[in-house]
Amino acid sequence: SQTIHQWPATLVQPVGSPLSLECTVEGTSNPNLYWYRQAAGRGLQLLFYSVGIGQISSEVPQNLSASRPQDRQFILSSKKLLLSDSGFYLCAWSVGRTDANEKLFFGSGTQLSVL
Amino acid sequence: SQQGEEDPQALSIQEGENATMNCSYKTSINNLQWYRQNSGRGLVHLILIRSNEREKHSGRLRVTLDTSKKSSSLLITASRAADTASYFCWLGDSSYKLIFGSGTRLLVRP
Repeated sequence: SQTIHQWPATLVQPVGSPLSLECTVEGTSNPNLYWYRQAAGRGLQLLFYSVGIGQISSEVPQNLSASRPQDRQFILSSKKLLLSDSGFYLCAWSVGRTDANEKLFFGSGTQLSVL
Repeated sequence: SQQGEEDPQALSIQEGENATMNCSYKTSINNLQWYRQNSGRGLVHLILIRSNEREKHSGRLRVTLDTSKKSSSLLITASRAADTASYFCWLGDSSYKLIFGSGTRLLVRP
């Protein structure tokens, strides 16, 4: 069966420090991968999505970047964190095209607090 | 890509009552999905309804889809305290961009 791992679960970082969040998927190949951010009590903002190794699409200009060094690994990074980067970060994956009635599977999330 | 707009933003009901939330959208879709998020957790898929379907059931969940009105509703019958969560709709179209709305926050009072 497929599983998704996202870590760490919580992270407290000072302003200006770097960031690296990792997400890995097991039990499937060539998944579509996504990074979302959720502010407290709000909806989900799509940050990045990837349909293959090295293929990253960014949805919003920001202080963050994403990379997909391996088929089932998706990394969210920042060189210098801002206060506004605080939030709940969620990784997700899906199989194939979204119009093929494939659902999303989410990781358990990372609560990032930038102080 | 597009996103659904959930309505209401917040809903508070007594345990045992039914909860209804709605999702509206603007352009054509291939399918519509509902997800639940418990506080501080990831989203969990609840149910998927295809564009050629009008109604679908899963346990205490009932989803309807009206493509002419471009809207869907999620009904939770005989609600329980454990149903307290945020509920999001997601629209499946030809895009890879998966965008969620702000969701409906449901509170079920014991």
